[in-house]
Amino acid sequence: EPEVTQTPSHQVTQMGQEVILRCVPISNHLYFYWYRQILGQKVEFLVSFYNNEISEKSEIFDDQFSVERPDGSNFTLKIRSTKLEDSAMYFCASSEASYQETQYFGPGTRLLVL
Amino acid sequence: DAKTTQPPSMDCAEGRAANLPCNHSTISGNEYVYWYRQIHSQGPQYIIHGLKNNETNEMASLIITEDRKSSTLILPHATLRDTAVYYCIVSGFQYGNKLVFGAGTILRVKS
Repeated sequence: EPEVTQTPSHQVTQMGQEVILRCVPISNHLYFYWYRQILGQKVEFLVSFYNNEISEKSEIFDDQFSVERPDGSNFTLKIRSTKLEDSAMYFCASSEASYQETQYFGPGTRLLVL
Repeated sequence: DAKTTQPPSMDCAEGRAANLPCNHSTISGNEYVYWYRQIHSQGPQYIIHGLKNNETNEMASLIITEDRKSSTLILPHATLRDTAVYYCIVSGFQYGNKLVFGAGTILRVKS
């Protein structure tokens, strides 16, 4: 069964450093998403991406964040200058189409900012 | 904010059916009810979704009331591996592409 994959599974970085989280969505999917979950809190939407453009973004997704689909398979989330409060699980998801289409999630990347 | 209300926790005996309720009294006509679960800190796992008819798949059944204001997820024979947080999410065009997660229900399956 096709699945969303994410690398790395864990990332430790120093405050102020740049990190890139990588995702490989399900191959025939067209919509891609990033969510995050701070330890003990709810899963929060960050951004959705379609046709090489951001479709929607939350208030969390400020200028420190960017997304990119650098090739036909990868989807990346970049945090330019990490803060302590960026420590969280980051989940990538993909769907065949937009609303009313099921989003499938990857296993997540645990980011720890020291 | 999430448009659903779920009990914070439930217990279920192994091998018995787990019935997880969800209230979504403000759901509108074109919005679907989705159920996901999250085991530990793993990625949310899709379970099932429906619009107004009852649905069943290999994992669970979804019963939606006729007025669509509430639904119940049924795991017919719960196992210890079904211990997880279960999220009921209403999703539709007005939410764009995003899923809005609430706190969910912690289901503990006990032997």
